[in-house]
Amino acid sequence: DAMVIQNPRYQVTQFGKPVTLSCSQTLNHNVMYWYQQKSSQAPKLLFHYYDKDFNNEADTPDNFQSRRPNTSFCFLDIRSPGLGDAAMYLCATSDYGGETQYFGPGTRLLVL
Amino acid sequence: SQQGEEDPQALSIQEGENATMNCSYKTSINNLQWYRQNSGRGLVHLILIRSNEREKHSGRLRVTLDTSKKSSSLLITASRAADTASYFCATEGDFGNEKLTFGTGTRLTIIP
Repeated sequence: DAMVIQNPRYQVTQFGKPVTLSCSQTLNHNVMYWYQQKSSQAPKLLFHYYDKDFNNEADTPDNFQSRRPNTSFCFLDIRSPGLGDAAMYLCATSDYGGETQYFGPGTRLLVL
Repeated sequence: SQQGEEDPQALSIQEGENATMNCSYKTSINNLQWYRQNSGRGLVHLILIRSNEREKHSGRLRVTLDTSKKSSSLLITASRAADTASYFCATEGDFGNEKLTFGTGTRLTIIP
């Protein structure tokens, strides 16, 4: 089945230690999104790619970076995680922007 | 700023009853979508309603949209225990920038 895959499902890192979360899709969608979701809150868009075009949200901290080496893969890099970065990180895709988004299961990040 | 506000924040009903959730938003939209999120998981798309539509059905789901009031409602009929989840509305602005803005969510609990 076509799907969005996130690895790992759970990630524990130390304060200040760089961490990379990965997302892959078999849907061949043009657009890929990264969201941060804290407990009992709405998903907050960090950035998205339309093909290779990177679109950063104005309030996304510089600590968060992303790479999309090809259509199928997208990575979220957190350069120096702080305690406030502990959250669920959700990857999503859509064929055309603004239409239905397909989400992966998420990666829960814990910062010690 | 967050686009959507949902009401109520939490809702508990008996199995078999109907559940109604409301969403309000602030700016003009192209479409409004509803997503479900089971605890600790990714979001699942339920239904999309376009700005020129007033009502849409999908199985036990009924969505209405009132663009003059900038509001939408999601009705789940004949609720089941498996409907227990958080429900989010999300809007695509009419400036068509490929992004969705999520509401604050309603936590629905179905009591068997």
